[in-house]
Amino acid sequence: KQEVTQIPAALSVPEGENLVLNCSFTDSAIYNLQWFRQDPGKGLTSLLLIQSSQREQTSGRLNASLDKSSGRSTLYIAASQPGDSATYLCAVLGAGNMLTFGGGTRLMVKP
Amino acid sequence: ETGVTQTPRHLVMGMTNKKSLKCEQHLGHNAMYWYKQSAKKPLELMFVYNFKEQTENNSVPSRFSPECPNSSHLFLHLHTLQPEDSALYLCASSHFQSTSGGAEQFFGPGTRLTVL
Repeated sequence: KQEVTQIPAALSVPEGENLVLNCSFTDSAIYNLQWFRQDPGKGLTSLLLIQSSQREQTSGRLNASLDKSSGRSTLYIAASQPGDSATYLCAVLGAGNMLTFGGGTRLMVKP
Repeated sequence: ETGVTQTPRHLVMGMTNKKSLKCEQHLGHNAMYWYKQSAKKPLELMFVYNFKEQTENNSVPSRFSPECPNSSHLFLHLHTLQPEDSALYLCASSHFQSTSGGAEQFFGPGTRLTVL
């Protein structure tokens, strides 16, 4: 059974810092990995999707990498802003279109 | 409307009530999903529908009954729920790709369910 772990569970940083969120998964037989953002009480917003054949994806200040063989992904956020405060979720897609989520990293960026 | 919509956004029900959650996607996808997000637990997949046929049922109790009448609509019928079923219920959709790779899933805003 696939298990996804996110470290740290919570992170508080001052505005302007560059930061890295970590995700690990136990079964490397995945189709893709998605990073999502969730604001309190809201649904999920897809940030980046990395197919299993890719190594990284970039969108604005966000960069996500994937090392499928070691079961790891990182989300890099450059020049963090208070508006980046949210919970960030990592999820891997396996057989049967089944998406398995990590527990999330709760990020607080202080002005 | 665009994207994935869910109604109602909030629902309070007693344990003896019967209610339904509705999801609609306007993205031309052919796969739809129900997820449950409880406090302090990771998001859990409940049901997967590909081409209107249920292909996954992740050991969900029978008091949750999904229905997918067409590729754009998905329902979750609720009856005789327990207080521990209180959670955020999220619907998602995607293209279904069985062999070549994984498609991106797009999520609705969720229905916040409280069972008294």
